Amino acid sequence: EAGVAQSPRYKIIEKRQSVAFWCNPISGHATLYWYQQILGQGPKLLIQFQNNGVVDDSQLPKDRFSAERLKGVDSTLKIQPAKLEDSAVYLCASSGQANYEQYFGPGTRLTVT
Amino acid sequence: AQSVTQLDSHVSVSEGTPVLLRCNYSSSYSPSLFWYVQHPNKGLQLLLKYTSAATLVKGINGFEAEFKKSETSFHLTKPSAHMSDAAEYFCVIGSARQLTFGSGTQLTVLP
Repeated sequence: EAGVAQSPRYKIIEKRQSVAFWCNPISGHATLYWYQQILGQGPKLLIQFQNNGVVDDSQLPKDRFSAERLKGVDSTLKIQPAKLEDSAVYLCASSGQANYEQYFGPGTRLTVT
Repeated sequence: AQSVTQLDSHVSVSEGTPVLLRCNYSSSYSPSLFWYVQHPNKGLQLLLKYTSAATLVKGINGFEAEFKKSETSFHLTKPSAHMSDAAEYFCVIGSARQLTFGSGTQLTVLP
C-alpha cells in the first residue's frame, strides 16, 4: 500500500512570510497527526484529526499555525507569519482504527531565515 | 501524564558487537511503549511495540526490547550491530492514540 505522502520535502522562507505543507495519509486511515521535530529533539504533536474533526490541538500555536482536513482525507498545515524558531521538520502521520501504530511520512524540512 | 527518558543521547558500537539503547518510562497505569527508528532524510519507522502482552518484544531487523515494570524500563537491544543500523532511535509512550516521544539516541556503528 502507498505510504503517507508529504510535500514539499524542503522549504526555505524568510521570517514573517507564510508557508503551507500538504499531507495525504494512507488510504482509509481516519486519524491524521501533524508533528514538529526541532533539530536534536523528538517529534512533538501539534494537532490530531479524527476524520475531519480536531481531537487535540492543545500544543498548536494558534496565533500563527492553522491546520485543516477538509473531507477527512488530506490535510494542510499553515504557518503565518513564520518565525526563526519555526525552523524544523514537520511530520505527518496517520493511523487506522485497529491499533496505536502510526505511519509517518518523510517530512517537510522548513528553514526560516 | 506519561513520559519517557532516553538515558543516552549518543551511542557508538563496533560492527558485530551488541547494541543497548536505554529507555525509562513514567506512567500511572500500564503503558503502551514503542521504539521508532529514523534514518537520515527518511520517515520514522516502527521497530517494535509493547501493549501488555509478552514482556519480551521482538521487532524488525533483529531488534528486541524487554518491558520491566519493576525497573520502569524498556531498553532496546540487538545482539550484533550492522552498519545499516546507524540511525536515530526514539523511545515512545502512547495513550489514547497519542504518542509522546523521547529525545532520541543517535546510534553510530563503527567499522
